[in-house]
Amino acid sequence: GENVEQHPSTLSVQEGDSAVIKCTYSDSASNYFPWYKQELGKGPQLIIDIRSNVGEKKDQRIAVTLNKTAKHFSLHITETQPEDSAVYFCAASKASSYKLIFGSGTRLLVRP
Amino acid sequence: EAGVVQSPRYKIIEKKQPVAFWCNPISGHNTLYWYLQNLGQGPELLIRYENEEAVDDSQLPKDRFSAERLKGVDSTLKIQPAELGDSAVYLCASSLGQDEAFFGQGTRLTVV
Repeated sequence: GENVEQHPSTLSVQEGDSAVIKCTYSDSASNYFPWYKQELGKGPQLIIDIRSNVGEKKDQRIAVTLNKTAKHFSLHITETQPEDSAVYFCAASKASSYKLIFGSGTRLLVRP
Repeated sequence: EAGVVQSPRYKIIEKKQPVAFWCNPISGHNTLYWYLQNLGQGPELLIRYENEEAVDDSQLPKDRFSAERLKGVDSTLKIQPAELGDSAVYLCASSLGQDEAFFGQGTRLTVV
């Protein structure tokens, strides 16, 4: 069935360093790949997304890359700040269902 | 513009009691989702509405869960009777088709 694998499960970086989170999806029909940030006690917040007709997208310190052949997509955060500390989820969906299949999450800790 | 609004934020009930959650999506969003998030995991879809029609309820435990979206706007999710294993965060999200899905703060349910 549909599955999204995400790693690492935890990531600790020094403030100012870069962080990379990777996801792999199973359904080749997937065409939409959002990333969500979830802080404690809050709902997931969309931070960036990418569609299958694009290989890379950037928004200030955040970028996402997509490799359709390998069914991989990654989140890159540069110049990390303590406020970037949160749980990050990747997800995938396809046009026929709109259902988001989420990864298991990455807990990012940015040490001051 | 207000985001997705959910209530209540927290609910504690005894097992076998009924409980209901309410969601008001972003104005104009025709697609509404209810997701279940267990501790330390990514959200999982329970049901998706297109306007007032439930188009994907394959993962909704229909023996005890029910949902409705009257007039294609607000939605309620009900559990009757609740079981200990239903303790989780119930998230509502809305979108315009397959565009970005925005999540509410969630309702944290504790069944004792």
